[in-house]
Amino acid sequence: DAGVTQSPTHLIKTRGQQVTLRCSPKSGHDTVSWYQQALGQGPQFIFQYYEEEERQRGNFPDRFSGHQFPNYSSELNVNALLLGDSALYLCASSSGPTQETQYFGPGTRLLVL
Amino acid sequence: GENVEQHPSTLSVQEGDSAVIKCTYSDSASNYFPWYKQELGKGPQLIIDIRSNVGEKKDQRIAVTLNKTAKHFSLHITETQPEDSAVYFCAASRNSGNTPLVFGKGTRLSVIA
Repeated sequence: DAGVTQSPTHLIKTRGQQVTLRCSPKSGHDTVSWYQQALGQGPQFIFQYYEEEERQRGNFPDRFSGHQFPNYSSELNVNALLLGDSALYLCASSSGPTQETQYFGPGTRLLVL
Repeated sequence: GENVEQHPSTLSVQEGDSAVIKCTYSDSASNYFPWYKQELGKGPQLIIDIRSNVGEKKDQRIAVTLNKTAKHFSLHITETQPEDSAVYFCAASRNSGNTPLVFGKGTRLSVIA
C-alpha cells in the first residue's frame, strides 16, 4: 500500500521564479492538504483540495495556488518566489475533507536564493 | 482562530525513563487532537490521536490524555528508547467544521542511551 509521495525531494530556485510541487495521496484517499513548514516550526496550513476544488485556505497570499486532478493527485504552485518561501512543503492526504487522520508525505525542501 | 501552545521545546531523558509533552489549545470547539513524530529529513508520522469524547488513549508505550475543561492534552511516552528521539508535534482541529489542523511548534526529544 503506497503512502503519500511527493516530488521533487529538493529544489533550488531564485527570487521571482515560479515553482510547481507535486503530490500523490495515499491509496484510497481523495483529499489533499498542503502545509508549509519553516525551519524549527510546526506545519502551517496552506490549502485543501477535495473533488478538484479548493475547499479551505489558510493565511497565504494568492501567489500560492494549487490544483487537484481526477486521480486525486495535486500540485502546489508558487509564483514570484521570495526568500521567505524557503521551507519544507508537506502534502497530507485523508479520506474526505473533514481533516481527520491526515497522513503526510516526506515533503519537498525548497530553497529560494 | 485556534492557537496551540506546546511545551517544552526541548526535552532530554535517559533511556528507560518517561517523557511528557504538554499542549494547550484555545478553541473550545476543537474536538480532534493528533500527535505526530517527525524524524530528520522525513515528513510527520501520525503516532496517536484522541477525540474529545474520551479522556485517555493508549497504544503500547504511548498514551495521550485530554482535559477538555482546562483545554490541554499531553503525550506520555514510557520506557523511552533511543529510536524515540525525534521532534514531536501536537495539533488540534474541529473535524466537524471547516477548520484545518493547527500545530504546536514542536518538542525536540532526545533519549540518551
